[in-house]
Amino acid sequence: GAVVSQHPSRVICKSGTSVKIECRSLDFQATTMFWYRQFPKQSLMLMATSNEGSKATYEQGVEKDKFLINHASLTLSTLTVTSAHPEDSSFYICSARTGPAADTQYFGPGTRLTVL
Amino acid sequence: QKEVEQDPGPLSVPEGAIVSLNCTYSNSAFQYFMWYRQYSRKGPELLMYTYSSGNKEDGRFTAQVDKSSKYISLFIRDSQPSDSATYLCAMSGAGGTSYGKLTFGQGTILTVHP
Repeated sequence: GAVVSQHPSRVICKSGTSVKIECRSLDFQATTMFWYRQFPKQSLMLMATSNEGSKATYEQGVEKDKFLINHASLTLSTLTVTSAHPEDSSFYICSARTGPAADTQYFGPGTRLTVL
Repeated sequence: QKEVEQDPGPLSVPEGAIVSLNCTYSNSAFQYFMWYRQYSRKGPELLMYTYSSGNKEDGRFTAQVDKSSKYISLFIRDSQPSDSATYLCAMSGAGGTSYGKLTFGQGTILTVHP
């Protein structure tokens, strides 16, 4: 149980375009999902907390107008990278929480974004 | 200073060796401590979870937390080539807005060679 999927697994786009990444909890409902970014050989950095039915909470330094998050249902959160630039190229990982405890986060397989 | 420091390695050991992975942290509010394993181009998977100070054992894995020193460790006994991955420590506060939000270390790249 507790499977989280992401789509697409890899995307290449031109500079200036927008890219949408989906995160789904397949066998459970998640009121809270998290979006992380991971640069090569670096750690996961939390970008934002996505709550179903309300606005996302962004971490300091993350542009909310650039990284649009929508959590429209209990099983789906989307991250849209607007007007992507090469510096946005990274590995984007979502996680979904099955409960309030810290060990109840399950991670998706990640999406590799390359902006040309 | 980063909130969580982890030696990125890389660490290379022979099969059967005991592996020691460590993290230090500066935020005394951290109460929950986790170790994740991440294979290349995959999401992290939870290996061990401990609350506050103490030891926890699960098969070949042992997690230790020393809150007085702000230091946590993961030991892998009888390491196998399949253990080759990046190991990430992660921590979380006990309440308020920090509850459930994870702060990760940089990750240690481990290679176990036959």
